[in-house]
Amino acid sequence: QSVLTQPPSASGTPGQRVTIACSGSSSNIGRNAAIWYQQLPGTAPKVLIYSDNQRPSGVPDRFSGSKSGTSASLAISGLQSEDEADYYCAAWDDSLDCAVFGGGTKLTVL
Amino acid sequence: QVQLQESDPGPVKPSETLSLNCRVSGGSVSSYFWSWIRQPPGKGLEWIGHVYYTGNTKYNPSLKRRVTAAVDTSKNQVSLTLTSVTAADTAVYYCARGSGPWFDPWGQGTLVTVSS
Repeated sequence: QSVLTQPPSASGTPGQRVTIACSGSSSNIGRNAAIWYQQLPGTAPKVLIYSDNQRPSGVPDRFSGSKSGTSASLAISGLQSEDEADYYCAAWDDSLDCAVFGGGTKLTVL
Repeated sequence: QVQLQESDPGPVKPSETLSLNCRVSGGSVSSYFWSWIRQPPGKGLEWIGHVYYTGNTKYNPSLKRRVTAAVDTSKNQVSLTLTSVTAADTAVYYCARGSGPWFDPWGQGTLVTVSS
């Protein structure tokens, strides 16, 4: 059971906009920045969004992040086939005093 | 650019101690935190812990009793020791730069299989 809760799966057709939610609590997302990772099949995760809504250089602006209260969201617009991957949210949990991840969302591009 | 490469520990039997190294190239281990993260086959990510180049550590409470992380500045590498392993410790183990939750870059990962 992950500390952060994500839907196990999401899907969309090319060109669509998809949103993935990440639910936490006051000890993690509620007071600390959320991070989003993209993990392509057979590879290590890569930072997609940091500090709730910031994109590292090289990440397309089709990817955006937001946060409200104890929940964070990742939005992908103009969905492309290469976006098919697993997506993880993460945050620091002050009560556990450790980094915590969501269970991951498998995105399928139909 | 900084690259990380985890070692392959080979087969590990239940109750044994798992030892992993992470070689850092293209940069120094100094002045950074280094984390270990694992991912059981087909499952999600779990942060194991981090070590600062000074040797200060912090661990996931669920693994704290069995984990030790260390930095060897002379070899420019980071290490992880996990004692009393069971099948539940079978996973891909990644090393990454950062204290968490922002980890970048990551190594390619090494699959550790615990089996008798």
